[in-house]
Amino acid sequence: ILNVEQSPQSLHVQEGDSTNFTCSFPSSNFYALHWYRWETAKSPEALFVMTLNGDEKKKGRISATLNTKEGYSYLYIKGSQPEDSATYLCAFPSGSRLTFGEGTQLTVNP
Amino acid sequence: EPEVTQTPSHQVTQMGQEVILRCVPISNHLYFYWYRQILGQKVEFLVSFYNNEISEKSEIFDDQFSVERPDGSNFTLKIRSTKLEDSAMYFCASSFEGTINGYTFGSGTRLTVV
Repeated sequence: ILNVEQSPQSLHVQEGDSTNFTCSFPSSNFYALHWYRWETAKSPEALFVMTLNGDEKKKGRISATLNTKEGYSYLYIKGSQPEDSATYLCAFPSGSRLTFGEGTQLTVNP
Repeated sequence: EPEVTQTPSHQVTQMGQEVILRCVPISNHLYFYWYRQILGQKVEFLVSFYNNEISEKSEIFDDQFSVERPDGSNFTLKIRSTKLEDSAMYFCASSFEGTINGYTFGSGTRLTVV
């Protein structure tokens, strides 16, 4: 059973704050790591698929980094806005399946 | 933006009844999946489907579960005899090149078994 862990479980920040959270995953047999954003009552939306050690990907105010040797990825949100409130999930592929972390629930207060 | 559509959005069924959850994946995607999330737990993999056959299934996906792509557009999950513990949000997803691409998820079917 693969162990994919995310921390913190939940996070409350003020509008304008920058924030980050962590996903840890098995460092062996790595080929990709997925990040998803999941708003309540909507479908999970793909943010990034990270494949290269040291890679950094960016989408607007959201960016992610990857360290495959130590088995972690960080997701950063710069200048959080209320519309960033969602659960952020990471997922580790193995075979044709994704193993998900439990998610970080972000609430951005206006 | 292409979408994965799922129907129904919510289904309530009696224990022991059969249910069919329906999905229409994105038309040019080749890989199809079902995942579920029991309330308060992680999203968990059920089954992957490629080239008209199951490519991988989890230990959850026992003989009570089956999947089908009956007409080249729909992708269905059938649970033959539902149990209380099958109550969950079921998500369909599709991707173009498997797990090297991000998945496109549907908005889910909330199944409640009473």
